[in-house]
Amino acid sequence: AQTVTQSQPEMSVQEAETVTLSCTYDTSENNYYLFWYKQPPSRQMILVIRQEAYKQQNATENRFSVNFQKAAKSFSLKISDSQLGDTAMYFCAFMKADAGGTSYGKLTFGQGTILTVHP
Amino acid sequence: NAGVMQNPRHLVRRRGQEARLRCSPMKGHSHVYWYRQLPEEGLKFMVYLQKENIIDESGMPKERFSAEFPKEGPSILRIQQVVRGDSAAYFCASSYRGNHEQYFGPGTRLTVT
Repeated sequence: AQTVTQSQPEMSVQEAETVTLSCTYDTSENNYYLFWYKQPPSRQMILVIRQEAYKQQNATENRFSVNFQKAAKSFSLKISDSQLGDTAMYFCAFMKADAGGTSYGKLTFGQGTILTVHP
Repeated sequence: NAGVMQNPRHLVRRRGQEARLRCSPMKGHSHVYWYRQLPEEGLKFMVYLQKENIIDESGMPKERFSAEFPKEGPSILRIQQVVRGDSAAYFCASSYRGNHEQYFGPGTRLTVT
């Protein structure tokens, strides 16, 4: 079974600064996907970024980037130029995949990190 | 292209009643997933369905819970004889066949009194 651990229950950052959220996972699988989801106060789950385990290059989406360390089973999220609208709960998630990259559907989530961006 | 729709958004049931939660996937998506989020916790996988088939129900409680995704109409998560511990937010997600990104609906908040 896979487990996902987010060791930072809460983080805060000043507007326009950079913050990094940590995530580690435990799996014996070689093929998988990793995700970061954002859950603002509206409680809507929003996909932030996705990383394929077979890709060494770190994924980037505008101000959001990841530091994927496969050997260390670490998947941190960096938010640059933080904005007030980034205030939310952030969840790291794992999904197993087969050798062809087809997912097995089940997302395993971490406990979440509450990020507060201060003006 | 409308997103994943869930209804109702809020549902209040007395202990012992039945709760029926509905999920309409994004257009073109044939894979549906249900997750439960207890207060102050992350989402926990419940069940994964394709049209008329249950693919993975490893996260579903053995009793009182069932799910379906018929050929026509929305996916239904049904909870019989609800108890206070069933109070939670229930999220549905959908994905396109062969695609691994799941898009979530707004959730249904179930309160059992």
